[in-house]
Amino acid sequence: DTEVTQTPKHLVMGMTNKKSLKCEQHMGHRAMYWYKQKAKKPPELMFVYSYEKLSINESVPSRFSPECPNSSLLNLHLHALQPEDSALYLCASSQEPSGGTVSYNEQFFGPGTRLTVL
Amino acid sequence: ELKVEQNPLFLSMQEGKNYTIYCNYSTTSDRLYWYRQDPGKSLESLFVLLSNGAVKQEGRLMASLDTKARLSTLHITAAVHDLSATYFCAVSNFGNEKLTFGTGTRLTIIP
Repeated sequence: DTEVTQTPKHLVMGMTNKKSLKCEQHMGHRAMYWYKQKAKKPPELMFVYSYEKLSINESVPSRFSPECPNSSLLNLHLHALQPEDSALYLCASSQEPSGGTVSYNEQFFGPGTRLTVL
Repeated sequence: ELKVEQNPLFLSMQEGKNYTIYCNYSTTSDRLYWYRQDPGKSLESLFVLLSNGAVKQEGRLMASLDTKARLSTLHITAAVHDLSATYFCAVSNFGNEKLTFGTGTRLTIIP
């Protein structure tokens, strides 16, 4: 299995809702990432998990709460979002968190969840 | 702070023509990546470049890296419509998971 999967593909939620985005990979990768991408912009890093521990939080508002239950799964819990949070949310994984002996350490991206906040 | 710039931001070219996309980055980096993104879709990895002078080719696309100039190029040869997409370069360093993306180049191939 050489892919990253994300569910749901599309999500519409109100500002008072609580929802979760899910990401899964079975490539044995030990680093997983959440990115936010607004239309016609490059992806922006939100969080990095290394060996199931949060290693980078790019000053993301607390209404976004990441969780890594195990090495294959990554969740993003959403609560009290704002309309400006509407975007494509991409999950990615890479073999090792910080390169180490793996020179390429390519990040492989999932298909994304298109989130609309009303 | 690491900054990554691409030019041009938009490129419209005719089928069969050649063109180059440029990616400049502001500080020393160990790895440079090229990704492709179709509208509304995810990112597809195209190339990973590690060392000065590295050149990689896949079909009509060729990427190169000049670490001294902090410059990477993505060259398109004899463009075809299927290559229409947005192309991003991105850089990272050993010991740092963060991937910093360029601004992106939206490429449109006109028949």
